[in-house]
Amino acid sequence: EAGVAQSPRYKIIEKRQSVAFWCNPISGHATLYWYQQILGQGPKLLIQFQNNGVVDDSQLPKDRFSAERLKGVDSTLKIQPAKLEDSAVYLCASSGLASVGREQFFGPGTRLTVL
Amino acid sequence: KQEVTQIPAALSVPEGENLVLNCSFTDSAIYNLQWFRQDPGKGLTSLLLIQSSQREQTSGRLNASLDKSSGRSTLYIAASQPGDSATYLCAVRPNNAGGTSYGKLTFGQGTILTVHP
Repeated sequence: EAGVAQSPRYKIIEKRQSVAFWCNPISGHATLYWYQQILGQGPKLLIQFQNNGVVDDSQLPKDRFSAERLKGVDSTLKIQPAKLEDSAVYLCASSGLASVGREQFFGPGTRLTVL
Repeated sequence: KQEVTQIPAALSVPEGENLVLNCSFTDSAIYNLQWFRQDPGKGLTSLLLIQSSQREQTSGRLNASLDKSSGRSTLYIAASQPGDSATYLCAVRPNNAGGTSYGKLTFGQGTILTVHP
């Protein structure tokens, strides 16, 4: 079974530029999560999708961050415009109804550096 | 608001030692607790998941315990090896009404483990 796929793995941009990250969850997983992990901290949930609907986006900075999950499969997270404090690893995870305890499976992450 | 704390922040041990990592959480109304491993520059790998009704889970040299009433979990690593060097994160999932949970994971800040030969 293929795991969660993310791209790109690394991205360097200048502040005020835009960037987009892509995630493909495990096949059949209805729930998809985007987390932000700043160096030295644990991941923080940005947004959670159930199929193509948003369940929780309470910690998403909506003035600059947006996310979509068209057709309930792949998802894209966008930052526009980026700030220095957005430098972090962006992790995508997914879980399915058959997952014991709704266990979340994580992708390798995208490391973003904003200069 | 749920808060998760991990102690110690960093730990360095010689190979072969048994060690304990600690995790505490402020709200005992959890659905489950999960321990993860994160290698530098990599994503998270799930190690053990403990449901709120369980007391412990074991996988190989790893044993995780859960005391929900006191808001604590420990991860025990037996006979540590240099390959165990990584950051270990614990995360809790809230328990919604009805015993189901679509809630988000709340993570601790992690314990950086170094096992030297």
